[in-house]
Amino acid sequence: QKEVEQNSGPLSVPEGAIASLNCTYSDRGSQSFFWYRQYSGKSPELIMSIYSNGDKEDGRFTAQLNKASQYVSLLIRDSQPSDSATYLCAVETNFGNEKLTFGTGTRLTIIP
Amino acid sequence: DAMVIQNPRYQVTQFGKPVTLSCSQTLNHNVMYWYQQKSSQAPKLLFHYYDKDFNNEADTPDNFQSRRPNTSFCFLDIRSPGLGDAAMYLCATSRGAGGPYEQYFGPGTRLTVT
Repeated sequence: QKEVEQNSGPLSVPEGAIASLNCTYSDRGSQSFFWYRQYSGKSPELIMSIYSNGDKEDGRFTAQLNKASQYVSLLIRDSQPSDSATYLCAVETNFGNEKLTFGTGTRLTIIP
Repeated sequence: DAMVIQNPRYQVTQFGKPVTLSCSQTLNHNVMYWYQQKSSQAPKLLFHYYDKDFNNEADTPDNFQSRRPNTSFCFLDIRSPGLGDAAMYLCATSRGAGGPYEQYFGPGTRLTVT
């Protein structure tokens, strides 16, 4: 059983719309959650981190965490073609452990 | 700017010919990681160092070795590369010391095995 699951996509969203990316995880003890953006052929880039239940906003990005449901999401408002990338969800799966478990990523395409 | 640097960015090696990839960081982070990533797959952790303490993943092949001679540098040695080792190799760092556990990646080294 996968520890971090994401829909692989591709997810196509019109330019200017809201893109919604979802991630579920299996370890109830997880405390730290991260979203990375990875352009084709490039390395992952950290875009959001979230540690508490609720929403965290940073510019056009909003991360949402629900520990009871073991669910974390990323919303991208006013989607731009430059947002087209693979988005990786990463979870610190053992409290106090410096390792992250990554999902396989969701490929997002913004349609002009 | 503080950053994670990987060299070379592209490496071509022959089947069975040893290769070394390097990573350096100016973030002064305690933890350094090596990941292997193949197309459309999640990054796969090979091993990591917490300061000088080496932590090997159970499924990392013996063909892969690592060295961390000081805080700033970490090396990945592939002793006898096979065709299946062709991948992007990613170095990352994190602060450690109880968190937060954000990991910051270098640009990666694309390894081709001929």
